Amino acid sequence: DVKVTQSSRYLVKRTGEKVFLECVQDMDHENMFWYRQDPGLGLRLIYFSYDVKMKEKGDIPEGYSVSREKKERFSLILESASTNQTSMYLCASSLLLSNEQFFGPGTRLTVL
Amino acid sequence: GIQVEQSPPDLILQEGANSTLRCNFSDSVNNLQWFHQNPWGQLINLFYIPSGTKQNGRLSATTVATERYSLLYISSSQTTDSGVYFCAVERGGRRALTFGSGTRLQVQP
Repeated sequence: DVKVTQSSRYLVKRTGEKVFLECVQDMDHENMFWYRQDPGLGLRLIYFSYDVKMKEKGDIPEGYSVSREKKERFSLILESASTNQTSMYLCASSLLLSNEQFFGPGTRLTVL
Repeated sequence: GIQVEQSPPDLILQEGANSTLRCNFSDSVNNLQWFHQNPWGQLINLFYIPSGTKQNGRLSATTVATERYSLLYISSSQTTDSGVYFCAVERGGRRALTFGSGTRLQVQP
């Protein structure tokens, strides 16, 4: 079974803090994704990576950066957290060819 | 971009009833997936079904790609089936999934 894990289920941070969200997959998937989910707005793509050190911006990259130094790990970084980044963050991974995506359990981030 | 519409938005069933959830999409797709989001927020894969029909226990799905819709069938529903069901599609070489707004299902005992 594919397993995608995320570093925290719940996280509370203060405005202006630097926040790291980590995602690890164990199935040697090439693609990894970060989405955020908000009521009324659905799931939206923040960033996507198709290989180590490769990344592409998604629909809402402003205020975020990402890092992929190893194939199994994809990190989302909030450089200076703001209250409008309070959200549910979901990581996913998939094989390059099929792109059947598998999701982690999610991180509920609250920025005070 | 591609539009994904799901219906109905809300559904309440008695345990044991059957239901059909629908997903319409506005353009041709490479990939279509159905997910169940559980009360803790995790998206559980149900089907990867860009075309054709698949069955898994009490659930089955059919995608008619030429007519741009997919159906998810739930038979003999159980309270554990409650949650939000999402359809998501991949268009062209974009790789990211575009999600519908979901169907919120509540199964009552």
